[in-house]
Amino acid sequence: DAGVTQSPTHLIKTRGQHVTLRCSPISGHKSVSWYQQVLGQGPQFIFQYYEKEERGRGNFPDRFSARQFPNYSSELNVNALLLGDSALYLCASSTTGTLSNQPQHFGDGTRLSIL
Amino acid sequence: AQKITQTQPGMFVQEKEAVTLDCTYDTSDQSYGLFWYKQPSSGEMIFLIYQGSYDEQNATEGRYSLNFQKARKSANLVISASQLGDSAMYFCAMREGFTSGTYKYIFGTGTRLKVLA
Repeated sequence: DAGVTQSPTHLIKTRGQHVTLRCSPISGHKSVSWYQQVLGQGPQFIFQYYEKEERGRGNFPDRFSARQFPNYSSELNVNALLLGDSALYLCASSTTGTLSNQPQHFGDGTRLSIL
Repeated sequence: AQKITQTQPGMFVQEKEAVTLDCTYDTSDQSYGLFWYKQPSSGEMIFLIYQGSYDEQNATEGRYSLNFQKARKSANLVISASQLGDSAMYFCAMREGFTSGTYKYIFGTGTRLKVLA
């Protein structure tokens, strides 16, 4: 079975632009979470979606938004890009997301560089 | 305040020996989950082990065990019989929000483990 897939793998943008990152969860997984990982740090939680509804949000500005589609895939959108948005963006999926013992399975990430 | 604290930025261990990676956490939730993930230099995040706040037994998965001390709010990862392939960054994470219904996954800053031949 395919794991969590993210696209694109790498992306270069300039300040002020907009970006859309995509994630397909493991088959059967209904919850998707997004994380930002700056080099040398742990992942920072951005959003969790379950059954197309936002179930959790981290401390990120409104420039960050996301949505989940009926097939449980998800998009992360970032507007008005700043240099500080340069990071590895990780997507993770889990079966339901509502039980504490659900491990999240991560994709390989999208490396976003802002020039 | 840090919700997940990993005080060891880097650790060395000799091959075949055991190593303990420290993690303390802070939450007011009664129901939460604690996880450990491994991130090799290639970048992928690999789930290792899970401990629930109501679990009375310490979790074990192969060479990994979690030393859970609830009163001290610690969830240390023990790797037995270290292998060269264990060299990686290790993250402790907590899932909380089950009371409020607003879920959050919080990661620590990580411990870089180097296994020596």
